[in-house]
Amino acid sequence: GDSVTQMEGPVTLSEEAFLTINCTYTATGYPSLFWYVQYPGEGLQLLLKATKADDKGSNKGFEATYRKETTSFHLEKGSVQVSDSAVYFCALSVGNRDDKIIFGKGTRLHILP
Amino acid sequence: DTAVSQTPKYLVTQMGNDKSIKCEQNLGHDTMYWYKQDSKKFLKIMFSYNNKELIINETVPNRFSPKSPDKAHLNLHINSLELGDSAVYFCASSQRGMNTEAFFGQGTRLTVV
Repeated sequence: GDSVTQMEGPVTLSEEAFLTINCTYTATGYPSLFWYVQYPGEGLQLLLKATKADDKGSNKGFEATYRKETTSFHLEKGSVQVSDSAVYFCALSVGNRDDKIIFGKGTRLHILP
Repeated sequence: DTAVSQTPKYLVTQMGNDKSIKCEQNLGHDTMYWYKQDSKKFLKIMFSYNNKELIINETVPNRFSPKSPDKAHLNLHINSLELGDSAVYFCASSQRGMNTEAFFGQGTRLTVV
């Protein structure tokens, strides 16, 4: 079945450090890929998305590239801020079936000042 | 203007009680979901409805019964609440077949005591 695997957390970094959160997926169709972010006490917000191979999604300094050959969608940011502390979820959707959005287990990110 | 709103935000109740959580979306989407997030932040889909029709039922106990009076609303009723039902429940909506992202409500934190 379709699935998403992302790196275990928590990830702790100092402010201005480079961030990578790894995500790989398994899907039988042609999925769209997403990164969602959940700030403490809040719901999930879409951070960025990519709908086909080689697309790059970007938002708020975060980027991820849809790599079909490695079935990956790693999240990167060049210089993190304390305000980036949150839980990050990689997700996929194969919209021509049951529209289920499948999430990875989430990676908690702590940024130290 | 809130896109996906769910009520209540917090719900504390005793074991054995019956409770409902309501969800409404004003995005014009035709598909709505309920997700459960456990204490480790793992998100698991419970149900999805498309135009008031049940599409996904992910082996959720019969005590959980979703109801969709129209495509803008999806309520979740839980009978005979158990301690293990304590979690955060998220409602979400999307447009079917478009591989687009889902929009999430703020969540309902259910605590069963």
